[in-house]
Amino acid sequence: DAKTTQPPSMDCAEGRAANLPCNHSTISGNEYVYWYRQIHSQGPQYIIHGLKNNETNEMASLIITEDRKSSTLILPHATLRDTAVYYCIVRVAYNTDKLIFGTGTRLQVFP
Amino acid sequence: SQTIHQWPATLVQPVGSPLSLECTVEGTSNPNLYWYRQAAGRGLQLLFYSVGIGQISSEVPQNLSASRPQDRQFILSSKKLLLSDSGFYLCAWASTSGRGEQFFGPGTRLTVL
Repeated sequence: DAKTTQPPSMDCAEGRAANLPCNHSTISGNEYVYWYRQIHSQGPQYIIHGLKNNETNEMASLIITEDRKSSTLILPHATLRDTAVYYCIVRVAYNTDKLIFGTGTRLQVFP
Repeated sequence: SQTIHQWPATLVQPVGSPLSLECTVEGTSNPNLYWYRQAAGRGLQLLFYSVGIGQISSEVPQNLSASRPQDRQFILSSKKLLLSDSGFYLCAWASTSGRGEQFFGPGTRLTVL
């Protein structure tokens, strides 16, 4: 699985959009981009994943660049409960092997 | 819907004592099961994974072991705990027919004194 690079921390005001970047310049053609988050003292939570088209669900939107070398997770209206560490992972879809978590981005949402 | 349970939620054990953590999954059949550990302030490390009853793969050498006595039950054990075994233990499952998502349990926070 390809490696990813994320900023270590970000701040966001409550109610504003949180845009979390991820670089994955060595991503392969059959690898998807997955996003998870971990709220303090809880297990990681799956958010969204995509291949090359932008994706949206009830939690977030995922924007993948045309060359697929980077992506952005967007939380449209951040709340205090969105404060967590966000992990970007690239891996082959349908792969049930282990998830390799990097250090992620610690998002702090403030009032 | 599927749910995953872990117990106990917290555990304080003396060095040298045995350990048994249990994980069960409901609402799915033949899941892949995983044990991860997260040391304080660190990332998640995969310890074991299982693709079926009695089938266990170990990722890192350690004094821990895992067993899968039933399809939806995954147990993490140790005969003698070390101080370095302290951490947050997470069980996860994935569907063999899914899209690669893994779903995590609430975790067990283990403190070895």
